[in-house]
Amino acid sequence: QSVLTQPPSVSGAPGQRVTISCTGSSSNIGAGYDVHWYQQLPGTTPKLLIHGNSNRPSGVPDRFSGSQSGTSASLAITGLQAEDEADYYCQSYDSSLSFYVFGTGTKLTVL
Amino acid sequence: EVQLVESGGGLVQPGGSLRLSCAASGFTVSSNYMSWVRQAPGKGLEWVSLIYSGGSTYYADSVKGRFTISRDNSKNTLYLQMNSLRAEDTAIYYCARDVGDDWYFDYWGQGTLVSVSS
Repeated sequence: QSVLTQPPSVSGAPGQRVTISCTGSSSNIGAGYDVHWYQQLPGTTPKLLIHGNSNRPSGVPDRFSGSQSGTSASLAITGLQAEDEADYYCQSYDSSLSFYVFGTGTKLTVL
Repeated sequence: EVQLVESGGGLVQPGGSLRLSCAASGFTVSSNYMSWVRQAPGKGLEWVSLIYSGGSTYYADSVKGRFTISRDNSKNTLYLQMNSLRAEDTAIYYCARDVGDDWYFDYWGQGTLVSVSS
C-alpha cells in the first residue's frame, strides 16, 4: 500500500506546464527524507527522473524540475511534449514503515 | 554501461515457489545496495526487499517470512526466492540498484512477470 498520495491523473496541451503533487507525512517527507521521481513510459521500466528533491540525472531535460516543502513535494514539467505521456511516481523513505515508500502514481496525458 | 537483466518469472500455483534472478553488468552487485520492487498489473510500485552491501537483508511486511533475497558474488547476480506464493504476489518484479544512504533507485531491470494462479 502506498503512503504517498498523488493525483490519479493530470493533463495538459503541448507546450504547457503541469505539476504533480506528492503528499506524505511526518514519518517520510516531513521527517526530512528526500523525494525522488520516476517516469514510466507505457510498457516500459521505471526511469529515474529526479533525485534528492530537485536533482536531475544526466540526460534528463531541464523541462523537468522538482521541489519539496513540509510534508509535500512537486514535480513540474514545462514545455509539455507528446513523449512526456507516462506514469509518474514519487518515492521516499519512511521511518515508521519498511524502508521505501512510493506514491500512488499519476498518469500524465498530453492532449 | 550498467545493465540489470531479470529472469525466472512464470506461472505458478498458489502455495508454490519460484526463484528470480537478476544478472548485473557494469558494476559489482556486492558493493551496492540492491532491491526488488514489484508492480501488480495496472497498479503502482511496491518495494519488496533490500540487501545491503554488507549482506543485511530487509523485507516489506507483505512478504516477510516468505521471500528471501540473496546474491552470488561470483556470478554478480541478485536473487529472490519466493515461497508460499499467493494470488496477490502476481506482479512484474524489477531488480533495482539502490543509491546507498540516499534511498533511491538509479538503475532498473526490464522486469520479469510472476503470475500466481490455479
